[in-house]
Amino acid sequence: NAGVMQNPRHLVRRRGQEARLRCSPVKGHSHVYWYRQLPEEGLKFMVYLQKENIIDESGMPKERFSAEFPKEGPSILRIQQVVRGDSAAYFCASSPPGTGAGNTIYFGEGSWLTVV
Amino acid sequence: AQSVTQPDIHITVSEGASLELRCNYSYGATPYLFWYVQSPGQGLQLLLKYFSGDTLVQGIKGFEAEFKRSQSSFNLRKPSVHWSDAAEYFCAVANRGSTLGRLYFGRGTQLTVWP
Repeated sequence: NAGVMQNPRHLVRRRGQEARLRCSPVKGHSHVYWYRQLPEEGLKFMVYLQKENIIDESGMPKERFSAEFPKEGPSILRIQQVVRGDSAAYFCASSPPGTGAGNTIYFGEGSWLTVV
Repeated sequence: AQSVTQPDIHITVSEGASLELRCNYSYGATPYLFWYVQSPGQGLQLLLKYFSGDTLVQGIKGFEAEFKRSQSSFNLRKPSVHWSDAAEYFCAVANRGSTLGRLYFGRGTQLTVWP
């Protein structure tokens, strides 16, 4: 990765608790994306944010999940009242604006959530 | 809707052998195409990408991929596999004209390398 920082790397929560996952994008990147990887599956897009705006949340579950990217500080993916099915790896990615060939997105190392 | 198919869930090769991982996509126009590698418990590392131009793309770690429009494929190749290449490989696409970060991933191919 090129500097996308995620924490915590591993998180254990009991059913019904809240999980908060943080993501600091590459310096200078204003676009942040969250993906979820369930066991034995590829990554699935969840949400795309720019500073203080949610651009595309078409992949977010309708309930219990929310995301923000405030003007200051990291992006936060929040899962309320976690259930066992939320156990997964959550990846954050960032990119600069634009879709030119020189641009690409960079992934963090992921946050592994285990719900017990 | 876009979809990415990696037909091989698991591939085993001997060290030094050649490798080809298959990827097919379903999309109305030529998308941006990517290959990522993921080691256990790690994030994704970009191996290579295709945006336009030469259909044979060179990447890191000796990998290359060839875009074939007629077959809607973007297969990943390596002439001689090293034991350190054992990992999971993901093909991904992004819509042209859309944000690069909105990727559609295949299910992945797990590569095992025998010594």
